[in-house]
Amino acid sequence: EAQVTQNPRYLITVTGKKLTVTCSQNMNHEYMSWYRQDPGLGLRQIYYSMNVEVTDKGDVPEGYKVSRKEKRNFPLILESPSPNQTSLYFCASSPVGANVLTFGAGSRLTVL
Amino acid sequence: GIQVEQSPPDLILQEGANSTLRCNFSDSVNNLQWFHQNPWGQLINLFYIPSGTKQNGRLSATTVATERYSLLYISSSQTTDSGVYFCAVGPSSGGSYIPTFGRGTSLIVHP
Repeated sequence: EAQVTQNPRYLITVTGKKLTVTCSQNMNHEYMSWYRQDPGLGLRQIYYSMNVEVTDKGDVPEGYKVSRKEKRNFPLILESPSPNQTSLYFCASSPVGANVLTFGAGSRLTVL
Repeated sequence: GIQVEQSPPDLILQEGANSTLRCNFSDSVNNLQWFHQNPWGQLINLFYIPSGTKQNGRLSATTVATERYSLLYISSSQTTDSGVYFCAVGPSSGGSYIPTFGRGTSLIVHP
């Protein structure tokens, strides 16, 4: 089944404790991206990647890192999480040029 | 940046009713998509429709790019149509794509 898989789906952590949210797709898509969804603010893009080793900032990249060492994986790294990063996070992928997004199921992160 | 406004913000329907959701955007775009977020939070792509009209079952969408709006039509609504509908717009060029999402229309369909 074609899908985007995110892990973990739920996580509660404490301020400053580094964490990684993984994202993997099995559709051979070149384009991958991360979003956060917050009440009243909607969905905002954090980072995107057009291919292996090619990443770029979205609208709200502060406090996040990404890497794209393999085509299928695009992890989101929070080096020193803070409470304002408490949010619902989505990973998405698309064939380049089409930009028709397929989303993962979401990861709900709480930073205490 | 591009401004995206969706209306109405909330909609309550009886099963079987029809509805029209609107997405206005402030600048020219070559990428527009409609998504449905179900009550469990899952985001499903409904249409990729930068211009023209498309239909998929009870759902159809029309984008008039020159007038900077898109409409999503839901006919004979069902309880499973409940959730939030988002439009996302943006320029996409050479693989680069940073979509701007609207705030969504929250739809509740009662049996």
